[in-house]
Amino acid sequence: DGGITQSPKYLFRKEGQNVTLSCEQNLNHDAMYWYRQDPGQGLRLIYYSQIVNDFQKGDIAEGYSVSREKKESFPLTVTSAQKNPTAFYLCASTITSAGSRTHGYTFGSGTRLTVV
Amino acid sequence: QKEVEQDPGPLSVPEGAIVSLNCTYSNSAFQYFMWYRQYSRKGPELLMYTYSSGNKEDGRFTAQVDKSSKYISLFIRDSQPSDSATYLCAMWAGGGNKLTFGTGTQLKVEL
Repeated sequence: DGGITQSPKYLFRKEGQNVTLSCEQNLNHDAMYWYRQDPGQGLRLIYYSQIVNDFQKGDIAEGYSVSREKKESFPLTVTSAQKNPTAFYLCASTITSAGSRTHGYTFGSGTRLTVV
Repeated sequence: QKEVEQDPGPLSVPEGAIVSLNCTYSNSAFQYFMWYRQYSRKGPELLMYTYSSGNKEDGRFTAQVDKSSKYISLFIRDSQPSDSATYLCAMWAGGGNKLTFGTGTQLKVEL
């Protein structure tokens, strides 16, 4: 079955440590997105990519980095510069950015990151 | 002011009730409107989308868009405990080719 796989489901980060969240899709979608979800704040866009080897900052990119070397993969690195990284992180994809108007986004099951 | 406003709830209703979930928006360029359902600790899943003004029905769910009032609604008939989830509205304007999400309304349907 086609879908988006996020791993790990739970991740614990020590202060000053970089961690990478994995996002893989087998839907042949061009566009991929990373969101952060905090209680009461909804979904906030971190980074997005409309095509391989290209990505743009979203609304809250500071302290995060991404790469898009393959169409199927869009990993997110939470760096030590992100001062409040504890949150639920969601990866999404869509057939094309314009196609999202009727197809919407397909989301993964999320990664819960906790700073310890 | 946020582009999309949504009452966070929580909204608690008895089983079998009709539920009305709403979003207001300020950007008149929004043309496509969607509703997502998100169960606890899961990713959102698309319920339905509508284009421009009007109604769209899918089983127990009806989506309604009033562009003149910049107001959209999702109605759930004969609500079930399995409908307990957070419901997010989302909108697409075209220019940025990205969806803009509401903050979500938490719904609990009680036996």
